[in-house]
Amino acid sequence: GQNIDQPTEMTATEGAIVQINCTYQTSGFNGLFWYQQHAGEAPTFLSYNVLDGLEEKGRFSSFLSRSKGYSYLLLKELQMKDSASYLCAVLTGRRALTFGSGTRLQVQP
Amino acid sequence: GAVVSQHPSWVICKSGTSVKIECRSLDFQATTMFWYRQFPKQSLMLMATSNEGSKATYEQGVEKDKFLINHASLTLSTLTVTSAHPEDSSFYICSARMGASGQETQYFGPGTRLLVL
Repeated sequence: GQNIDQPTEMTATEGAIVQINCTYQTSGFNGLFWYQQHAGEAPTFLSYNVLDGLEEKGRFSSFLSRSKGYSYLLLKELQMKDSASYLCAVLTGRRALTFGSGTRLQVQP
Repeated sequence: GAVVSQHPSWVICKSGTSVKIECRSLDFQATTMFWYRQFPKQSLMLMATSNEGSKATYEQGVEKDKFLINHASLTLSTLTVTSAHPEDSSFYICSARMGASGQETQYFGPGTRLLVL
């Protein structure tokens, strides 16, 4: 079966750094995605990791360890507009995305 | 990034009617598109994989006769909810796959909000 776990909610302060963790156990692995989703909107692509290590893209970084079934999304210099749900998704052997339940991040002033 | 559109963005219909939702990749060709459903405060659940020129592959528990998928061209996939009922009210989102294996990603359309009365 497929199992993707991430925290339900997190709170952080504007200007700070926050790390959102994701652990997964899936049948087949072809990469891990992070998406941002604001309420009532569709997800927007943030990052894709297929090899171990850190991928940095501006204020956002994503890390993957395939042997541990673990990834994290790091958000730096938090802004109020970063308040959203962050979805961890694994590209399985069938090349479809299986999503975690999402982490609702609340950025406070 | 790549653009995927959906139409309509929202629809309200009476119970028993059928609703068609279109998903288009606007600036690239997508041999594979995916249909997801999202209920309030829940994550996206894959419904089916739509393959151009062949039958869709449905996830377990998704009725293929109720959710008809047609992928007639490399830029268009349609989802028809037949005989819709209130429990079908949800946020339907499509995505299109782009890129080769190892460098691929999926871009999502803006979603279609369906309310069945």
